[in-house]
Formats: sequence, structure tokens, C-alpha cells
Amino acid sequence: AQSVTQLDSHVSVSEGTPVLLRCNYSSSYSPSLFWYVQHPNKGLQLLLKYTSAATLVKGINGFEAEFKKSETSFHLTKPSAHMSDAAEYFCVVSFSGGYQKVTFGTGTKLQVIP
Amino acid sequence: DAGITQSPRHKVTETGTPVTLRCHQTENHRYMYWYRQDPGHGLRLIHYSYGVKDTDKGEVSDGYSVSRSKTEDFLLTLESATSSQTSVYFCAISLGTSGGYEQFFGPGTRLTVL
Repeated sequence: AQSVTQLDSHVSVSEGTPVLLRCNYSSSYSPSLFWYVQHPNKGLQLLLKYTSAATLVKGINGFEAEFKKSETSFHLTKPSAHMSDAAEYFCVVSFSGGYQKVTFGTGTKLQVIP
Repeated sequence: DAGITQSPRHKVTETGTPVTLRCHQTENHRYMYWYRQDPGHGLRLIHYSYGVKDTDKGEVSDGYSVSRSKTEDFLLTLESATSSQTSVYFCAISLGTSGGYEQFFGPGTRLTVL
């Protein structure tokens, strides 16, 4: 069965410092991977996605993620945190077939300290 | 936003009463999903549909049923609401293979069962 693990439930950074949110997946097949963001009391917005093209994926608001097959990881990074980045981030994995279902990680709450 | 609406957006009900949540899409997508979101769990799949009258259970389907009589509408019913079903419910559609199974989400319904 497919699964995804977000290694940190909470991450705290200072404004202007780098952000690293970690995600590992388990898979017997080549997955599609996504990062979604959810601001407080809001819906889910797609940040970026990996679908077997370039392994370094750029998303919105300066975020990017690198697919590393050897490490089964898809960590989300941003060079410099902004106050507006404070939100919950979800790593999501999907595999071909299976009625196009996806599996969510449990989420990482990012706190940005002024 | 892929034209997804959910109704109602907020609902408070009492234990033992039936509740129906509606998801409506305007772009003729085949696959639709219902999730619930609870702190520490991410989003968990309740039921999904792969066509009119074609539905199946997800990982947390106990106490829920669904129906899809038209492509555009996917209904989630709590036959007899319990306090453990207090949650935020999200509907989603899949973009399919062209989108790497990327899912778009509705705005959510906040349900409180007293």
C-alpha cells in the first residue's frame, strides 16, 4: 500500500530564514507527488507537483521540492520564509491506477517568527 | 477552482440526526471524493466515485454513505450523526492522468455534532 510520512508535525522558523519541510513516501511504483498548503480556516491549494518530469520542481510563492528516488523523499524548501507562509502543509502521493486516489500525509504546521 | 462548491458551508446538528452534505462540480469530471480533516490526521478518504452510480469505500467509511445520481453531484450522508463525526469535510475532483492525478478541493463544510 502507498503511504507518505511527514517527519515533523510542527516547524518553527524566523522570518527571512530557510524553510525545510520533510516528506518520505513508500512505493513499489513511480509515484506522483504533491505539496498542498492550507492557511488557517481556508481550503487546500496546490503548491507544486512532481509527475516524473524534472526532479526539481518549482511551485508558487518561491517554494520548490526535489524528488529523490534513492531516498524516497520529496522535501519542500524555500530560501527565505515570509510571515504569510505560516500555514499547514500536506505532502500527498498518488500512484497510477487505483481510481486516481491519493494519500495524504498528516501535515506539518509552519510557524514563522517575526 | 475547478468549479467545485459545497453546501452547506457550516452546520450544527444533534447526535442521532441524519445529515446530508452536497458537492457540486461544473466541469464534468469523472472522479469525485469525500474526505474528512481532523487535527493530526491530515485528510482521510471517506468514499469516492468513479462515475454515475459507481461508488466505493475509502479508509474511514463507517457511518457514512454516498450517492451520485448525476455527474455533477456527489452527496455524503451521515445516517445518524455522532460526536465523532464532528469534522471539516472536503469534496475533491481528480484532473486525471493529464494532471498526474492532481486533485482540486472544494471550500469545505464544517460540521459540528452536539
